[in-house]
Amino acid sequence: KQEVTQIPAALSVPEGENLVLNCSFTDSAIYNLQWFRQDPGKGLTSLLLIQSSQREQTSGRLNASLDKSSGRSTLYIAASQPGDSATYLCAVNTGNQFYFGTGTSLTVIP
Amino acid sequence: KAGVTQTPRYLIKTRGQQVTLSCSPISGHRSVSWYQQTPGQGLQFLFEYFSETQRNKGNFPGRFSGRQFSNSRSEMNVSTLELGDSALYLCASSPQGGELTEAFFGQGTRLTVV
Repeated sequence: KQEVTQIPAALSVPEGENLVLNCSFTDSAIYNLQWFRQDPGKGLTSLLLIQSSQREQTSGRLNASLDKSSGRSTLYIAASQPGDSATYLCAVNTGNQFYFGTGTSLTVIP
Repeated sequence: KAGVTQTPRYLIKTRGQQVTLSCSPISGHRSVSWYQQTPGQGLQFLFEYFSETQRNKGNFPGRFSGRQFSNSRSEMNVSTLELGDSALYLCASSPQGGELTEAFFGQGTRLTVV
């Protein structure tokens, strides 16, 4: 069974810092990996989608990488802002369903 | 383009009752998946519907069921509610589902069982 782990579980940084969130998965037989953001009590907002054949995707201050063979993905956030405070979830798509990590709770301190 | 719409946003039910949640996917999307989110278990897959047929199913008891209509709207039903069913229920829509497509989530329905 696919297991997805996110490290760290929580992270607190001062505004302006660059940061990296990590996601690892146990089975490399995935079709794609998606990063989401979740604000308290709300749904999931899609940030980036990386297909299994891709190495990275970029959107604004966000950059996600994927190393399928080693079962790892990272989400890089540049020049963090207080509005980036949220929980970040990664999810791997096996074709039948998404398997989610437990998330990294990010707090950006003004 | 309207996003994924889930109704109602909040529900309070009593143990033993049943409940129906609704999800309207993005226009043109044919795949609808349901997930349960709890603090202890995180996000867990319930089932996926595509063209009115359940295509994939997670590991939940038979009290959890769903259906999809010809306009791709989906409903999820939970019978004989238990306290442990209290959770945020999220619906995701995608054009086809499966291996290559991106999922878009609704705001969720917060179910509280008392």
